[in-house]
Amino acid sequence: SAVISQKPSRDICQRGTSLTIQCQVDSQVTMMFWYRQQPGQSLTLIATANQGSEATYESGFVIDKFPISRPNLTFSTLTVSNMSPEDSSIYLCSVVERVGDTEAFFGQGTRLTVV
Amino acid sequence: GENVEQHPSTLSVQEGDSAVIKCTYSDSASNYFPWYKQELGKRPQLIIDIRSNVGEKKDQRIAVTLNKTAKHFSLHITETQPEDSAVYFCAASIVNRDDKIIFGKGTRLHILP
Repeated sequence: SAVISQKPSRDICQRGTSLTIQCQVDSQVTMMFWYRQQPGQSLTLIATANQGSEATYESGFVIDKFPISRPNLTFSTLTVSNMSPEDSSIYLCSVVERVGDTEAFFGQGTRLTVV
Repeated sequence: GENVEQHPSTLSVQEGDSAVIKCTYSDSASNYFPWYKQELGKRPQLIIDIRSNVGEKKDQRIAVTLNKTAKHFSLHITETQPEDSAVYFCAASIVNRDDKIIFGKGTRLHILP
């Protein structure tokens, strides 16, 4: 199974600043996914990051606010830009692995608090 | 795009009883339906999944059923135990298209002593 390392695990940031979250996978994967999980809520897909192309954003999420990089098949970053308290959430990266069956694996998450 | 509805949002059952969580999906192209368990402060973990060519799948105390015609799928936990207390998410995906997984809103399951 894929092992995903995500950092930072948590951060407290001032409003108006930006935070970049890193996600490293121990195997090469075509697509990586970024989710947001607000307190007590479900996981909402922000975007799909493909290596060598622009990320594909879900409705309600835009590149200016959540720029994503995908420089190679094992790494991706998500930046939360110009943060406001409403951005306080847990951000998780995920990969889908198809070895036998299909399974999604998640990083441990980044707990972001904007003050 | 895909929309997954999940009910109930909260469920309390006596230890040893069964728990059932129900979901519906909107995109008839969805062909993969995983269920995740998330304990407090931890990442979601896959507990069982089902593909659209199968109507039912069982793994010990956990079973999942799928009705493609009605676009319904359900999670059944039998002989519930205290460690089953967690938030459960159903999800839907289209394997071999974009693989993105869309989650339901979750069910907080409480197992009562």
